[in-house]
Amino acid sequence: DIQLTQSPSSLSASLGDRVTISCRTSQSISNYLNWYQHAAGRAPKLLIYGASTLQSGVPSRFSGSGSGTDFTLTISNLQPEDFTTFYCQQSYSPPRTFGQGTKLEI
Amino acid sequence: QVQLQESGPGLVKPSQILSLTCTVSGGSITSAGYYWAWVRQHPGKGLEWIGYISHSGNSYYNPTLKSRVSISPDTSKNQFSLTLSSVTAADTAVYYCARERLQYQVAHMDVWGKGTTVAVSS
Repeated sequence: DIQLTQSPSSLSASLGDRVTISCRTSQSISNYLNWYQHAAGRAPKLLIYGASTLQSGVPSRFSGSGSGTDFTLTISNLQPEDFTTFYCQQSYSPPRTFGQGTKLEI
Repeated sequence: QVQLQESGPGLVKPSQILSLTCTVSGGSITSAGYYWAWVRQHPGKGLEWIGYISHSGNSYYNPTLKSRVSISPDTSKNQFSLTLSSVTAADTAVYYCARERLQYQVAHMDVWGKGTTVAVSS
């Protein structure tokens, strides 16, 4: 199975800040990397797929980059609704696997 | 607009079978190019992929659950179901169903149900 390691596990930031979350995979997965946002008590929400393609309807303050084994999610101009948990996930091969999550705290 | 809704018992006894159903509206589970997945989240933990089934009925399961899990379609009701046998307290979680879509050659889960909480307890 492909292992995903996110860092940091938690992150403190303020409204209007710019933050980056890293995801490293145990083997090269080209660009088969997705990012999700998960607010407590709600369904996970797809933000980015294919490492850098913004899902329809997702604000442009979210962006993704990377390929191979190293990927980054960047969130600019943090808004109150962004203080949730973020997960990376690989779709290079089954079983699909997720990173352990990064909790963004105000 | 495709929507997914999970349903099933909120409480299951240890050693019994957990059965959940995901009802799909606004789209067909037999449409080509889609996989129908189950994902769970243990209390206070991250997301765990359980498995998926394709539009044609092919399935793949998480190896850690493979001996206990089954995902099956009901095309007449446009639903797909999760069955997990021999449950223990470790199967207590919020269970989500999701649609995995292939877009620009990258698969991703773009539609999710709201989730259903299942507790395993006597």
